Amino acid sequence: QVQLVQSGAEVKKPGASVKVSCKASGYTFTSYSIHWVRQAPGQRLEWMGWINAGNGNTKYSQKFQDRVTITGDSSASTGYMELSRLTSEDTAIYYCAREAPGGRREDYWGQGTLVTVSS
Amino acid sequence: EIVLTQSPATLSLSPGERATLSCRTSQSVGSQLTWYQHKPGQAPRLLIYDASNRAAGIPARFSGSGSGTDFTLTISSLEPEDFAVYYCQQRYNWPIPFGGGTKVEIK
Repeated sequence: QVQLVQSGAEVKKPGASVKVSCKASGYTFTSYSIHWVRQAPGQRLEWMGWINAGNGNTKYSQKFQDRVTITGDSSASTGYMELSRLTSEDTAIYYCAREAPGGRREDYWGQGTLVTVSS
Repeated sequence: EIVLTQSPATLSLSPGERATLSCRTSQSVGSQLTWYQHKPGQAPRLLIYDASNRAAGIPARFSGSGSGTDFTLTISSLEPEDFAVYYCQQRYNWPIPFGGGTKVEIK
């Protein structure tokens, strides 16, 4: 069965970077794209970016364009989202999600990773 | 960037009642609109894609309609497990933001 398992909770200081992993199983990693979405406390879901796990092409939200890097390691069937220059406003739950066959929606999601930014 | 506006922000209903949620986009997205359900402590759950197609395993009480700029998610008869926040997301072009969400709460 398809599963996306994310890395554990992180606590970071302002100005630091965080790298969240998303290990895929139950399907061919390079055949599907991965999206990253976050939700800060009391806020809406926020789309951050996307990677075509087959060719490594990426797209990012303009809001995060200069701070986020999304990558994939096909040998490990794992996707990564790295966010730099963290502030308290980056405290959020970060989700990875697989884009479904045919696109235009995400059918499987990771369990979420809480990132807390605090001095 | 296409902006999605959901209304109402909160819907207070009783189990068994019908819920009608609206999502309006700032420009036409054709039928490329997706709906998700989100509960606290859980990952979002795909409900509807391409405006009106139910995802696998989604009960028939959930239905989606609309095209262009106006979309509706209808829950025909609310079950206790349906009380959650619902988000729409456009998939017409990049970037692909979510709407602000509608919270369906128990009256």
